[in-house]
Amino acid sequence: QPVLTQPPSSSASLGESARLTCTLSSNINVVNYKIYWYQQKPGSPPRYLLYYNSDSDKGQGAGIPSRFSGSKDASANAGILLISGLQSDDEADYYCMFWPSNVVFGGGTKLTVL
Amino acid sequence: ELQLLESGGGLVQPGGSLRLSCVASGFTFSNYAMTWVRQAPGRGLEWVSAISGSGGNTYYADLVMGQFTVSRDNYENTVYLQMNNLGVEDTAVYYCARFSTELVVVTAFDFWGQGTLVTVSS
Repeated sequence: QPVLTQPPSSSASLGESARLTCTLSSNINVVNYKIYWYQQKPGSPPRYLLYYNSDSDKGQGAGIPSRFSGSKDASANAGILLISGLQSDDEADYYCMFWPSNVVFGGGTKLTVL
Repeated sequence: ELQLLESGGGLVQPGGSLRLSCVASGFTFSNYAMTWVRQAPGRGLEWVSAISGSGGNTYYADLVMGQFTVSRDNYENTVYLQMNNLGVEDTAVYYCARFSTELVVVTAFDFWGQGTLVTVSS
């Protein structure tokens, strides 16, 4: 069963950047899959942020600012969500998702903005 | 305005059944595949099921295969999740969400409802 591993928590300072990772299980190569990212605040449903496959195949959710961006780290077999210019409103849980055969979500990372 | 409104959750005893509904508005419902995703209290997201825009193709997570049934009524703009033989492990908020396509393909869930809470307990 494919697995996406996210660190349970991460923190970064207001105005700085946060880099959230989503590591695929070793038998699955991140190069071959689109990685989707969602944001969830307490008491609210998830909100679609973006997907990233390559620099030529990526997409932003409706109304999502460009300071949210995706990338991959092939050496780490991971998808990356980069949030620049952190705002207090960015404090939330962030989930990655991919589709090896069926949909798989990562366990989520709780981002704290210091 | 896009809207997905889930209902049908509640308290049910182990072994019981529930049918969840999700009424859509603000878009042409039949043009979009729909999905159900659940979230146990304090836990992460877990994909449950999906159905194509026509309703002709359905998909299930291994954990719920044979236990849950997804369907839709494109005249009523509603997607359903029939859940049978419920166990305590099925306790969760159940969200319906919209695919960004008509077919169930690798794509985003681009809009989510507020969710409905299902509690399985004796």
